[in-house]
Amino acid sequence: GEDVEQSLFLSVREGDSSVINCTYTDSSSTYLYWYKQEPGAGLQLLTYIFSNMDMKQDQRLTVLLNKKDKHLSLRIADTQTGDSAIYFCAETMKMRQLTFGSGTQLTVLP
Amino acid sequence: GAGVSQSPSNKVTEKGKDVELRCDPISGHTALYWYRQSLGQGLEFLIYFQGNSAPDKSGLPSDRFSAERTGGSVSTLTIQRTQQEDSAVYLCASSLDGGNYGYTFGSGTRLTVV
Repeated sequence: GEDVEQSLFLSVREGDSSVINCTYTDSSSTYLYWYKQEPGAGLQLLTYIFSNMDMKQDQRLTVLLNKKDKHLSLRIADTQTGDSAIYFCAETMKMRQLTFGSGTQLTVLP
Repeated sequence: GAGVSQSPSNKVTEKGKDVELRCDPISGHTALYWYRQSLGQGLEFLIYFQGNSAPDKSGLPSDRFSAERTGGSVSTLTIQRTQQEDSAVYLCASSLDGGNYGYTFGSGTRLTVV
């Protein structure tokens, strides 16, 4: 079956880079996503990557995909206190529901 | 509307009562999804609509849960005879193309069963 795993917690100092990691098991995944959830809010789509790509950069965000190892990472450069949130990795095939990881709580320390 | 709208935002109900949760997707979005997020947990898939039909109901936890969508737009999730373990945030999302480019989520309905 499908499974998406993430570490539960990450703490970084303000201004440092954060790297949030995710592994998935479904080799037929074609789309992979990162969502951000702030307290009391819904999920906000941050970025996505197709499985035929290995990197995508969007301002402070860099997504790396290692399809062979089924490993996805999200790097946030110059992390700010406003980046403190839960980050969810998710995967899907076309026209199917997303399967989410359990989320990584990012805490940015001053 | 501009985003996915869910109502009510908070609902407290007594054990054994029925509740109805509403989701208003983004206009024109054909796909609609319901997820459940329990305290400290990830997202649990419940059901997916393409138009008015539900090709995947595999995530509904019991026959107390049902959902419908009418007119390819608004969806309601109904929980009958609520139990305390039903307490969670119920999130709705919609997408234009079946999820290829991710979903847009609503802010959720926080359900508390007392």
